[in-house]
Amino acid sequence: NAGVTQTPKFRILKIGQSMTLQCAQDMNHNYMYWYRQDPGMGLKLIYYSVGAGITDKGEVPNGYNVSRSTTEDFPLRLELAAPSQTSVYFCASSYGQGLYEQYFGPGTRLTVT
Amino acid sequence: TQLLEQSPQFLSIQEGENLTVYCNSSSVFSSLQWYRQEPGEGPVLLVTVVTGGEVKKLKRLTFQFGDARKDSSLHITAAQPGDTGLYLCAGGDTGANNLFFGTGTRLTVIP
Repeated sequence: NAGVTQTPKFRILKIGQSMTLQCAQDMNHNYMYWYRQDPGMGLKLIYYSVGAGITDKGEVPNGYNVSRSTTEDFPLRLELAAPSQTSVYFCASSYGQGLYEQYFGPGTRLTVT
Repeated sequence: TQLLEQSPQFLSIQEGENLTVYCNSSSVFSSLQWYRQEPGEGPVLLVTVVTGGEVKKLKRLTFQFGDARKDSSLHITAAQPGDTGLYLCAGGDTGANNLFFGTGTRLTVIP
């Protein structure tokens, strides 16, 4: 099992550009999450999904969009990139909610200049 | 938002010393998890505690969930350089679909 994979690992965007961060998991997990982690900080939830076709906003959703057309994939879309979106983005998945372990991908380091 | 505050924010100690990291909230959680994150990687689960007052040991690491399920601590005995990393606590709520992550404690163990 590859677990949770994310692409790309690094990306530099210019202000106003758009991009999609890819996330895939092969553990057949229903729950998937997108977090951002700013330098020296914990994780803030952007969006999450409880199954294919179902998504919901987290703590910091502004400037982002998601879709969940399959169980495996959960892409994160950045429209009109801003410097405030410079961060490391982590995708995670879990079998269930609450006490279930979340499995994280290796992260995407994004810089917006 | 259910806030989880961790202290200290940074900790630098010598190999062999003991340390305790704290995770505090004004909210009650149904479960509390601790993750460790190494540079350039995603967090990895260390332990989950679900009962107030519960204590779990993982080799040199001891985790405790507060009686009121609002706080937790992580104690490391005889720290080693391999313990270096960012330690994150995360609270789970039966009414929520996601975890609430703490602010993190960055530990450096000097050989």
